[in-house]
Amino acid sequence: EAQVTQNPRYLITVTGKKLTVTCSQNMNHEYMSWYRQDPGLGLRQIYYSMNVEVTDKGDVPEGYKVSRKEKRNFPLILESPSPNQTSLYFCASRTTTPRVPGELFFGEGSRLTVL
Amino acid sequence: AQKITQTQPGMFVQEKEAVTLDCTYDTSDQSYGLFWYKQPSSGEMIFLIYQGSYDEQNATEGRYSLNFQKARKSANLVISASQLGDSAMYFCAMTPNFNKFYFGSGTKLNVKP
Repeated sequence: EAQVTQNPRYLITVTGKKLTVTCSQNMNHEYMSWYRQDPGLGLRQIYYSMNVEVTDKGDVPEGYKVSRKEKRNFPLILESPSPNQTSLYFCASRTTTPRVPGELFFGEGSRLTVL
Repeated sequence: AQKITQTQPGMFVQEKEAVTLDCTYDTSDQSYGLFWYKQPSSGEMIFLIYQGSYDEQNATEGRYSLNFQKARKSANLVISASQLGDSAMYFCAMTPNFNKFYFGSGTKLNVKP
C-alpha cells in the first residue's frame, strides 16, 4: 500500500529535549516536505526537499532542522524544542504525474506537545 | 508574497444541498497550481481536486468542482449534493512552483441531516 508513515504519532516532551519525528514514504517520490498545523493558521510549510541531499526552507523553518540522506526518509529534528512548537505536524511527499503535478500525499500527522 | 484567504471559518449546509467554500489567493506568478484538501475529524489530509492556472476548464472530480476565476484570483470549491460524510475541515492551497505550498486557514463544514 502506498503510504507516508510518521513516527511518533503522539509525543509529549519538555523544553530543550532534542527530538526527531521520522517520515518515510514507499512511493519513490523525489519530493518530500514538512508542515505544521495550528488552529486559525492552517498548514504552514517548514522545509521541503526536492531530492537526496537537497533541502530548502519553507515559511516557518526557525527552530527546525531536516536531513535527506535517503530518498524514502525525511526526518524533522527539533534540537531544542520550545512550547511554541506545540503543534500538529504533517509530512508529505509529492507525485509528479502530469494530470495532477503537485498532489501531496500526507502522513497521518504527529501531535507534539512541548511543556 | 503568496497568501491564501478562506473567509468562512465555519459553515452549515443541509444534507443533499450544494455548498460553496470560498478561497482567494494572491500571487504575482503567472503559473501556479490550486488544490483543495479535506481533513476529517480523524485528522488525515485527503486530496480533493486540482486546477492549473493555465487550465481553461474548471476542474471536476465527482461531486467536487472548482470554480476558477483567474482575474478575480478565486478558486472556490463547490460540493454538490452534500453528504453527512462531507463534514470536515477544508483547506485551499496554492503552489507557484510545486515546491513551496501555501495553505489557507481552513473552513469547517458541518452537514446537517
